[in-house]
Amino acid sequence: DSGVTQTPKHLITATGQRVTLRCSPRSGDLSVYWYQQSLDQGLQFLIHYYNGEERAKGNILERFSAQQFPDLHSELNLSSLELGDSALYFCASSPGQGFSGELFFGEGSRLTVL
Amino acid sequence: DQQVKQNSPSLSVQEGRISILNCDYTNSMFDYFLWYKKYPAEGPTFLISISSIKDKNEDGRFTVFLNKSAKHLSLHIVPSQPGDSAVYFCAATTGTASKLTFGTGTRLQVTL
Repeated sequence: DSGVTQTPKHLITATGQRVTLRCSPRSGDLSVYWYQQSLDQGLQFLIHYYNGEERAKGNILERFSAQQFPDLHSELNLSSLELGDSALYFCASSPGQGFSGELFFGEGSRLTVL
Repeated sequence: DQQVKQNSPSLSVQEGRISILNCDYTNSMFDYFLWYKKYPAEGPTFLISISSIKDKNEDGRFTVFLNKSAKHLSLHIVPSQPGDSAVYFCAATTGTASKLTFGTGTRLQVTL
Protein backbone atom coordinates (compact mmCIF):
# COMPACT_ATOMS: atom_id res chain seq x y z
CA ASP A 1 0.00 0.00 0.00
CA SER A 2 1.63 3.22 -1.21
CA GLY A 3 -0.59 5.45 0.90
CA VAL A 4 -1.98 7.21 -2.18
CA THR A 5 -5.72 6.75 -2.59
CA GLN A 6 -7.54 7.13 -5.89
CA THR A 7 -11.27 7.02 -6.51
CA PRO A 8 -13.11 5.69 -8.36
CA LYS A 9 -11.16 2.57 -9.32
CA HIS A 10 -13.32 1.98 -12.38
CA LEU A 11 -15.54 4.32 -14.35
CA ILE A 12 -17.57 3.71 -17.49
CA THR A 13 -19.15 6.62 -19.25
CA ALA A 14 -20.25 7.83 -22.67
CA THR A 15 -18.65 10.14 -25.17
CA GLY A 16 -19.30 13.80 -24.50
CA GLN A 17 -19.65 13.32 -20.78
CA ARG A 18 -17.56 14.77 -17.95
CA VAL A 19 -15.91 12.89 -15.09
CA THR A 20 -13.88 13.75 -12.03
CA LEU A 21 -11.08 11.59 -10.68
CA ARG A 22 -9.95 12.09 -7.13
CA CYS A 23 -6.60 11.56 -5.45
CA SER A 24 -5.50 11.74 -1.83
CA PRO A 25 -1.72 11.86 -1.50
CA ARG A 26 0.37 10.16 1.16
CA SER A 27 0.21 11.84 4.53
CA GLY A 28 2.68 14.72 4.53
CA ASP A 29 3.28 14.78 0.79
CA LEU A 30 2.76 18.19 -0.77
CA SER A 31 3.23 17.27 -4.44
CA VAL A 32 0.65 15.51 -6.56
CA TYR A 33 1.24 14.30 -10.10
CA TRP A 34 -1.22 12.95 -12.65
CA TYR A 35 -0.24 10.46 -15.32
CA GLN A 36 -2.21 8.81 -18.12
CA GLN A 37 -1.51 5.31 -19.36
CA SER A 38 -3.25 4.38 -22.58
CA LEU A 39 -3.24 0.84 -23.93
CA ASP A 40 0.31 -0.47 -24.44
CA GLN A 41 1.75 2.94 -23.74
CA GLY A 42 4.01 4.23 -21.05
CA LEU A 43 2.82 6.61 -18.41
CA GLN A 44 2.38 10.07 -19.89
CA PHE A 45 2.84 13.00 -17.54
CA LEU A 46 -0.18 15.29 -17.39
CA ILE A 47 0.31 17.80 -14.60
CA HIS A 48 2.06 18.48 -11.27
CA TYR A 49 0.74 20.44 -8.31
CA TYR A 50 2.69 21.49 -5.26
CA ASN A 51 0.87 22.74 -2.17
CA GLY A 52 -2.08 23.93 -4.20
CA GLU A 53 -0.17 25.55 -7.04
CA GLU A 54 0.41 24.23 -10.54
CA ARG A 55 4.11 23.52 -11.06
CA ALA A 56 4.41 21.81 -14.42
CA LYS A 57 2.22 20.80 -17.31
CA GLY A 58 2.79 17.95 -19.69
CA ASN A 59 0.68 16.61 -22.52
CA ILE A 60 -2.62 17.57 -20.95
CA LEU A 61 -5.50 18.32 -23.28
CA GLU A 62 -7.44 21.55 -22.95
CA ARG A 63 -10.52 19.44 -22.17
CA PHE A 64 -8.74 18.26 -19.03
CA SER A 65 -8.14 20.32 -15.93
CA ALA A 66 -6.89 19.67 -12.45
CA GLN A 67 -6.61 21.33 -9.11
CA GLN A 68 -5.17 20.68 -5.68
CA PHE A 69 -7.21 21.72 -2.69
CA PRO A 70 -6.07 23.15 0.68
CA ASP A 71 -6.30 19.69 2.24
CA LEU A 72 -3.86 18.59 -0.52
CA HIS A 73 -6.19 16.19 -2.27
CA SER A 74 -6.37 16.65 -6.01
CA GLU A 75 -9.01 16.23 -8.66
CA LEU A 76 -8.58 15.65 -12.38
CA ASN A 77 -11.55 16.77 -14.45
CA LEU A 78 -12.03 15.29 -17.89
CA SER A 79 -14.74 16.83 -20.09
CA SER A 80 -16.21 16.30 -23.55
CA LEU A 81 -14.90 12.78 -23.33
CA GLU A 82 -13.80 10.95 -26.46
CA LEU A 83 -13.17 7.25 -27.06
CA GLY A 84 -9.44 7.92 -27.04
CA ASP A 85 -9.60 9.17 -23.46
CA SER A 86 -10.12 5.61 -22.29
CA ALA A 87 -7.06 4.90 -20.17
CA LEU A 88 -5.68 4.29 -16.73
CA TYR A 89 -5.15 7.53 -14.85
CA PHE A 90 -2.57 7.41 -12.09
CA CYS A 91 -1.98 9.84 -9.32
CA ALA A 92 1.37 9.95 -7.56
CA SER A 93 2.70 11.97 -4.66
CA SER A 94 6.05 13.02 -3.25
CA PRO A 95 7.13 15.07 -0.28
CA GLY A 96 8.76 18.09 -1.89
CA GLN A 97 8.34 20.58 -4.67
CA GLY A 98 10.79 19.10 -7.11
CA PHE A 99 11.53 15.52 -7.89
CA SER A 100 13.20 13.99 -4.86
CA GLY A 101 13.94 10.39 -5.66
CA GLU A 102 10.77 8.50 -6.21
CA LEU A 103 7.09 8.92 -6.69
CA PHE A 104 4.47 6.97 -4.80
CA PHE A 105 1.65 5.87 -7.07
CA GLY A 106 -1.96 5.08 -6.38
CA GLU A 107 -3.67 2.06 -7.89
CA GLY A 108 -5.13 4.12 -10.69
CA SER A 109 -8.58 4.93 -12.01
CA ARG A 110 -9.57 3.00 -15.11
CA LEU A 111 -11.76 5.11 -17.37
CA THR A 112 -13.72 3.51 -20.18
CA VAL A 113 -15.47 5.80 -22.64
CA LEU A 114 -18.12 4.09 -24.77
CA ASP B 1 8.79 11.78 -29.52
CA GLN B 2 9.56 8.82 -27.29
CA GLN B 3 12.50 9.99 -25.21
CA VAL B 4 12.67 6.77 -23.20
CA LYS B 5 12.36 3.52 -25.10
CA GLN B 6 11.94 -0.05 -24.00
CA ASN B 7 12.13 -2.00 -27.22
CA SER B 8 11.25 -5.40 -25.79
CA PRO B 9 7.55 -5.58 -24.91
CA SER B 10 8.00 -8.92 -23.20
CA LEU B 11 10.62 -11.25 -21.79
CA SER B 12 10.38 -14.80 -20.50
CA VAL B 13 13.05 -16.20 -18.17
CA GLN B 14 13.35 -19.40 -16.20
CA GLU B 15 13.36 -19.26 -12.43
CA GLY B 16 16.89 -18.95 -11.08
CA ARG B 17 18.32 -17.46 -14.26
CA ILE B 18 19.24 -13.85 -14.93
CA SER B 19 16.67 -11.39 -16.28
CA ILE B 20 18.03 -8.44 -18.25
CA LEU B 21 15.69 -5.61 -19.10
CA ASN B 22 16.93 -2.85 -21.38
CA CYS B 23 16.11 0.82 -21.79
CA ASP B 24 17.41 3.48 -24.17
CA TYR B 25 16.99 7.23 -23.93
CA THR B 26 17.55 10.09 -26.31
CA ASN B 27 17.57 13.17 -24.07
CA SER B 28 21.13 13.85 -22.96
CA MET B 29 19.80 16.14 -20.21
CA PHE B 30 18.45 13.18 -18.27
CA ASP B 31 20.60 12.66 -15.20
CA TYR B 32 18.56 10.38 -12.97
CA PHE B 33 17.03 7.08 -13.92
CA LEU B 34 14.59 4.78 -12.18
CA TRP B 35 12.97 1.41 -12.58
CA TYR B 36 9.41 0.82 -11.47
CA LYS B 37 7.63 -2.50 -11.20
CA LYS B 38 3.91 -2.86 -11.79
CA TYR B 39 1.64 -5.77 -10.93
CA PRO B 40 -1.85 -6.04 -12.46
CA ALA B 41 -4.44 -3.82 -10.79
CA GLU B 42 -1.78 -2.02 -8.81
CA GLY B 43 0.12 1.22 -9.27
CA PRO B 44 3.81 1.24 -10.21
CA THR B 45 6.19 0.81 -7.29
CA PHE B 46 9.73 2.08 -7.14
CA LEU B 47 12.40 -0.58 -7.53
CA ILE B 48 15.83 0.96 -7.95
CA SER B 49 17.45 4.11 -9.28
CA ILE B 50 20.77 5.44 -10.50
CA SER B 51 22.30 8.86 -10.84
CA SER B 52 24.26 9.79 -13.95
CA ILE B 53 27.42 10.16 -11.85
CA LYS B 54 27.40 6.40 -11.32
CA ASP B 55 27.49 3.51 -13.73
CA LYS B 56 26.13 0.84 -11.42
CA ASN B 57 23.79 0.59 -8.47
CA GLU B 58 22.98 -2.60 -6.67
CA ASP B 59 20.20 -3.52 -4.27
CA GLY B 60 19.96 -7.17 -3.36
CA ARG B 61 19.02 -9.18 -6.44
CA PHE B 62 18.57 -6.03 -8.51
CA THR B 63 21.37 -4.16 -10.27
CA VAL B 64 21.01 -1.23 -12.64
CA PHE B 65 23.77 -0.39 -15.10
CA LEU B 66 24.08 2.95 -16.87
CA ASN B 67 26.09 3.54 -20.04
CA LYS B 68 25.92 7.29 -20.62
CA SER B 69 27.84 7.28 -23.86
CA ALA B 70 25.38 4.80 -25.35
CA LYS B 71 22.41 6.40 -23.58
CA HIS B 72 21.47 2.96 -22.36
CA LEU B 73 20.56 1.43 -19.06
CA SER B 74 19.70 -2.07 -18.04
CA LEU B 75 18.18 -3.82 -15.06
CA HIS B 76 19.57 -7.17 -14.02
CA ILE B 77 17.63 -9.48 -11.75
CA VAL B 78 19.62 -12.38 -10.35
CA PRO B 79 18.32 -14.92 -9.56
CA SER B 80 14.90 -14.41 -11.08
CA GLN B 81 11.92 -15.54 -9.03
CA PRO B 82 8.29 -16.17 -10.02
CA GLY B 83 7.25 -13.18 -7.89
CA ASP B 84 9.30 -10.97 -10.19
CA SER B 85 6.75 -11.52 -12.94
CA ALA B 86 5.42 -8.02 -13.61
CA VAL B 87 5.69 -5.10 -16.01
CA TYR B 88 8.89 -3.11 -15.56
CA PHE B 89 9.02 0.55 -16.51
CA CYS B 90 12.17 2.53 -17.05
CA ALA B 91 11.89 6.25 -16.22
CA ALA B 92 14.16 9.26 -16.45
CA THR B 93 14.28 12.83 -15.29
CA THR B 94 16.52 15.88 -15.20
CA GLY B 95 17.77 17.43 -12.00
CA THR B 96 15.42 20.37 -12.17
CA ALA B 97 12.37 18.70 -13.62
CA SER B 98 9.37 17.75 -11.58
CA LYS B 99 8.25 14.95 -13.83
CA LEU B 100 9.36 11.48 -14.82
CA THR B 101 9.44 10.37 -18.45
CA PHE B 102 8.51 6.72 -18.73
CA GLY B 103 9.18 4.01 -21.26
CA THR B 104 6.39 1.77 -22.51
CA GLY B 105 7.33 -1.10 -20.22
CA THR B 106 8.58 -4.68 -20.53
CA ARG B 107 6.45 -7.53 -19.30
CA LEU B 108 8.65 -10.06 -17.52
CA GLN B 109 7.44 -13.58 -16.99
CA VAL B 110 9.51 -15.86 -14.79
CA THR B 111 8.65 -19.47 -15.42
CA LEU B 112 9.18 -22.46 -13.17
